[in-house]
Order: sequence, then C-alpha cells, then structure tokens
Amino acid sequence: DAKTTQPNSMESNEEEPVHLPCNHSTISGTDYIHWYRQLPSQGPEYVIHGLTSNVNNRMASLAIAEDRKSSTLILHRATLRDAAVYYCILRDGGATNKLIFGTGTLLAVQP
Amino acid sequence: NAGVMQNPRHLVRRRGQEARLRCSPMKGHSHVYWYRQLPEEGLKFMVYLQKENIIDESGMPKERFSAEFPKEGPSILRIQQVVRGDSAAYFCASSPSDGVSGNTIYFGEGSWLTVV
Repeated sequence: DAKTTQPNSMESNEEEPVHLPCNHSTISGTDYIHWYRQLPSQGPEYVIHGLTSNVNNRMASLAIAEDRKSSTLILHRATLRDAAVYYCILRDGGATNKLIFGTGTLLAVQP
Repeated sequence: NAGVMQNPRHLVRRRGQEARLRCSPMKGHSHVYWYRQLPEEGLKFMVYLQKENIIDESGMPKERFSAEFPKEGPSILRIQQVVRGDSAAYFCASSPSDGVSGNTIYFGEGSWLTVV
C-alpha cells in the first residue's frame, strides 16, 4: 500500500482557515486520496476524496497537486467541533479495497 | 456514520469468555470491514468480507478471532477466550462495492470491549 506522511499535530484558531498537508510521493495512477477524521470516542468520519482535480463539499475542500504527490485538506472556518485526528489515506485500487490508516494529524482548535 | 449500526456499543467480558460484536452495514452495501483500535493507538485493519465470503483477513489474529457475514443478517466479529489485551474499540465499516477506489467507506460508531 502506498504511504502518506502527515504532521503529527497542528493548531488553529476558531473561525480561521486550516490547511492540513499530506505527502504521498509514491502514489500510483489509480489511487484515490481519501480524508477521514476521528473525533474522540467516535468512529472515523468520511470528509472528502479525490483523484486528480480539486474537490469541494460542505465539509471541506481538497487541493491536489498537479503531480499528485501531495494534497491539502482545507477547512475554511475551523470550529471547536473540528478538533479531531485527520487521516489522509490512499485507497488501495486492487481487489482488497481496504483503507490503511496512518497516524494522522491531531488538530487542536483554540477558541 | 449514522447508517452503519454496531452493537453492543459497550461490552464487558471476563477473561476466558466469548465476545460477539455485530455490524449491520448501510442499506445497499454488501461489503463490510472490521478495524480495531487499541487504547492510544491507531486504527488497524482486521478483515474485509462480502456476503458469505472473506476477501481479506490479513489483519486478523491467527487464533481466537473469527468473522462472518452471512447471506442474511449482520456481520459478526467473534472473539473467543478473551484476554485483557483484547480490550479495544472495534469499528465496522461498509461500502457499496469493490474494485472502485472512489467508493466511500462509511464507519459505525464502534463497539468498546473491556475485558476484566
């Protein structure tokens, strides 16, 4: 499985934008980039995913580098409820189709 | 998250007992995944199942653990003769189909197993 590299932790202030980086230099052409987050004592929550083009949804935006070796999850206005561990995952394009979680980025949001 | 149902949410077992965790996937989903999260650790893949088939069990411990996803009913993760090290959160996830990396996998709220 291709690997991703994320900072262990980041801090943000409430109502400010947050840019969470992810490096995936060994990504293959058919790997999708998925982002999940996990709040304390909860299951992982799907945030967004993309292949080549930037993506937007109600939760966040995903900016994918042209060479696809890195991506950035953008939370436009952080709230206290966004404090969580954010995982950047390359989805296995083979038959197993499973998600392999790394250590993620622990995002702290200050009021 | 709301669509994948796991029960029980919390389970306490004495050492040596059996634990059964159930997972009902989202409506229309035929693929189920089980993950384990030990205290203060990350999520570890355990097993991937389709109806009546185990597709990938590369993350399952060799002994005491088994999983099934019958034609009818929920998926079951069974842990026999539990030990304290089995205390963890067990998460189930489901997806609509395989082979398409763009499909989203949705997780349940988890089942917290405590072995005393």
